[in-house]
Amino acid sequence: AQSVTQLDSHVSVSEGTPVLLRCNYSSSYSPSLFWYVQHPNKGLQLLLKYTSAATLVKGINGFEAEFKKSETSFHLTKPSAHMSDAAEYFCVVVSLGGYQKVTFGTGTKLQVIP
Amino acid sequence: DGGITQSPKYLFRKEGQNVTLSCEQNLNHDAMYWYRQDPGQGLRLIYYSQIVNDFQKGDIAEGYSVSREKKESFPLTVTSAQKNPTAFYLCASTRRRSGGPYNEQFFGPGTRLTVL
Repeated sequence: AQSVTQLDSHVSVSEGTPVLLRCNYSSSYSPSLFWYVQHPNKGLQLLLKYTSAATLVKGINGFEAEFKKSETSFHLTKPSAHMSDAAEYFCVVVSLGGYQKVTFGTGTKLQVIP
Repeated sequence: DGGITQSPKYLFRKEGQNVTLSCEQNLNHDAMYWYRQDPGQGLRLIYYSQIVNDFQKGDIAEGYSVSREKKESFPLTVTSAQKNPTAFYLCASTRRRSGGPYNEQFFGPGTRLTVL
């Protein structure tokens, strides 16, 4: 079985303060993990990915995430929020399951307050 | 520029009508996917295809059909059998691998379908 849980459906931060978006996963196989960002009425854009190399992954726009196997977590962080970060963020787990099985979290909407 | 295109951006359907959503990619990817997105539910897989002339049902295939006659094209038809088709539809593609680590999916800009 494979699942992804995004612990917060909405997160609100002030501009210039840190961002933390939480993601927990379960997988029977060694997974690859991804974070995508989606702006309103747009497609999804890859922020970063973990593929069994370094556990601290740096992505675009100053985002990073840390893979913690013992906690089955892959939380997304950014030191200082910018107005342009307001969007919906999806955590995704991919592992072998007949085909390249892809499971999306339900998303976290990030609001950035000026 | 390489990427995925979807058309149209907005589509309106009358009750009982079939409509076809276009998805084209020039990334030379083998695998292509169709997702449906509804508010608060994330993305749900409708159909996927790993090679030309082959496709498999995803989690919510009822009321939808696809074809994969060319590597770069994966159109989705929303039939009249789909009872609640109003949603945002996303097409994606990826390089196919048989083992990890796995490749990310590249997404098109989406088509918003509304039933009138």
